[in-house]
Amino acid sequence: DAGVTQSPTHLIKTRGQQVTLRCSPKSGHDTVSWYQQALGQGPQFIFQYYEEEERQRGNFPDRFSGHQFPNYSSELNVNALLLGDSALYLCASSLISGTYEQYFGPGTRLTVT
Amino acid sequence: KQEVTQIPAALSVPEGENLVLNCSFTDSAIYNLQWFRQDPGKGLTSLLLIQSSQREQTSGRLNASLDKSSGRSTLYIAASQPGDSATYLCALRGAGGTSYGKLTFGQGTILTVHP
Repeated sequence: DAGVTQSPTHLIKTRGQQVTLRCSPKSGHDTVSWYQQALGQGPQFIFQYYEEEERQRGNFPDRFSGHQFPNYSSELNVNALLLGDSALYLCASSLISGTYEQYFGPGTRLTVT
Repeated sequence: KQEVTQIPAALSVPEGENLVLNCSFTDSAIYNLQWFRQDPGKGLTSLLLIQSSQREQTSGRLNASLDKSSGRSTLYIAASQPGDSATYLCALRGAGGTSYGKLTFGQGTILTVHP
């Protein structure tokens, strides 16, 4: 049973560029959430997708956008990258029903130079 | 707005000690609480989940408690081992409204267990 997978593992981008991160949820899960974790901080909620729609959003600008596909996988897009976007981006999956326990992927380390 | 605080920020103990990590929160309207472990540069591993109606959960050497009335949760680790060295994070899911669906995290406690 595959857990949550994310790609790529590491990414280096230049300020002003755009980036796309990808996530495949744990088998059987239908909900994907994205978090940003700066060095030495706890993860911060970006948004959550269910049934291919953004259901909830944290305090992040519109430069952060996402998508969920019919197979429940998801993408996180960040436009006009800033140095402050450098962080570990974590994807979590869960079931919309039940305990809502979230399972996290290994993360994508984004460095903006 | 839910705020989560973890104390201490860092903890160093000798192998074999029993230890307690603390998590406090400001809004008692929670759906559940999860404790996670994070190794450096890695993702999060779920350790224990406590529903709002529960008082505690146990898994092996780990025991987590929840007291909603006082806004506190503790993670107890028995007979600590060097392999327990990691950052421990607590996270809450709100019970409804705009909090529903997302996890709100504390800053974490960095645990070092030395031989």
